[in-house]
Parts: sequence; structure tokens; C-alpha cells
Amino acid sequence: NAGVTQTPKFQVLKTGQSMTLQCAQDMNHNSMYWYRQDPGMGLRLIYYSASEGTTDKGEVPNGYNVSRLNKREFSLRLESAAPSQTSVYFCASSPRTGTMNTEAFFGQGTRLTVV
Amino acid sequence: RKEVEQDPGPFNVPEGATVAFNCTYSNSASQSFFWYRQDCRKEPKLLMSVYSSGNEDGRFTAQLNRASQYISLLIRDSKLSDSATYLCVVNSRAQKLVFGQGTRLTINP
Repeated sequence: NAGVTQTPKFQVLKTGQSMTLQCAQDMNHNSMYWYRQDPGMGLRLIYYSASEGTTDKGEVPNGYNVSRLNKREFSLRLESAAPSQTSVYFCASSPRTGTMNTEAFFGQGTRLTVV
Repeated sequence: RKEVEQDPGPFNVPEGATVAFNCTYSNSASQSFFWYRQDCRKEPKLLMSVYSSGNEDGRFTAQLNRASQYISLLIRDSKLSDSATYLCVVNSRAQKLVFGQGTRLTINP
């Protein structure tokens, strides 16, 4: 059971480099999310996608772009990495009943360090 | 003001104790509510959903107070394995899941 798969699991970038974090889910979920988690800050929403073809900003979108390529995949791009983007990144997906999201399933996270 | 707020703790309690966490949310249009558990360096996992009438799952009881806009989690007869961070999660009408900052719990032998 794959669930939500994130790649890579670990990454070290130099300031100014770009990279894309990949996320795919095989549960046919409508909604997908990208969060970042910093010590003492909980999970903060970067971007989310309520359905294929739509994306919306969350609490901390600056410095990031996203792409909902299809129903399965939701990628997060850092165009010019900064040390402040050092964090653990989680992708999640959830099914939706009407307008309500139900349980979210998470990938294992990507530990990103920007030096 | 943050959309979802929790006391970050840490809570240190002896094994067998009862411990309670509260969480407040600011958006009165919020529709669904959850408690998640996160172990160190792992992804969050659903502990339980929170229903308007309150619900129980073994040693865990969750309650929702819509009028006061808070959610609670009660853990009875705590076990060493309950040590984790507990995250309150709220689903807004905008279809996004918003997390509180989490409450760290340590159960001591």
C-alpha cells in the first residue's frame, strides 16, 4: 500500500539553487496539501489543491510554487532556495465528502537543508 | 490571531495519569475537526475525528464545543507509548486543513 509518496527524503541545497519536491498519491483523493514543519511551529500550510487544476495559497506561500499535474500528483518548487526554507516538508492528501475534507494521509516527509 | 491554537506544553505526567489538551479555533464556519498524533521525526497520523456529540475510542475521548469554538482531547490511564505530540486539526469551509502547533506529551514511568 503506497499511500502518499514523497521524493526525495533528504536534500541539501546551496542558497539560490532550485529544486522540485514530488508528491504522488494512489488513493484517488481530491485534495492535496503541502506543509512545512519547523521546531515549535507545528505544521504550516504552504499551498493546497482542492481538486485537479486548482491551487490556493496557504499560510506561508512566499518563495514556493506548486503544480497539480493531475489528480495523483502535486509538486512543490523552490525557485531560489534560502536558508529560511530549511525545514521538514510534508505532502498530504484527503478525500472529500461534499465540501468537507476527511482524514488526511501524509507522506514520510522531506528533510531539506539550505546552506 | 492564528486560526488554530494549542498550548504547546510540554506536558510531563506519570504513567496512569489522566491528561487533557484543549485547542481553540477562530473560524466559526469550520466544519470538521480532528486530533492527530505525531511521533518524533515521523509523519502525523490520525488519532481520531471529533464529532459534535463527543466521541470515545478506548482511553481517548474527544469533545467539540462549537459555541466556544474549542476542541478537547482527554487521555485516561496514560501509557508510556502515549508520549508524542498531539495536533489539533480544523477543516475550514475553504477546504483546507489547518493544524495547531501541537502539544508535546511525555509520560514518565
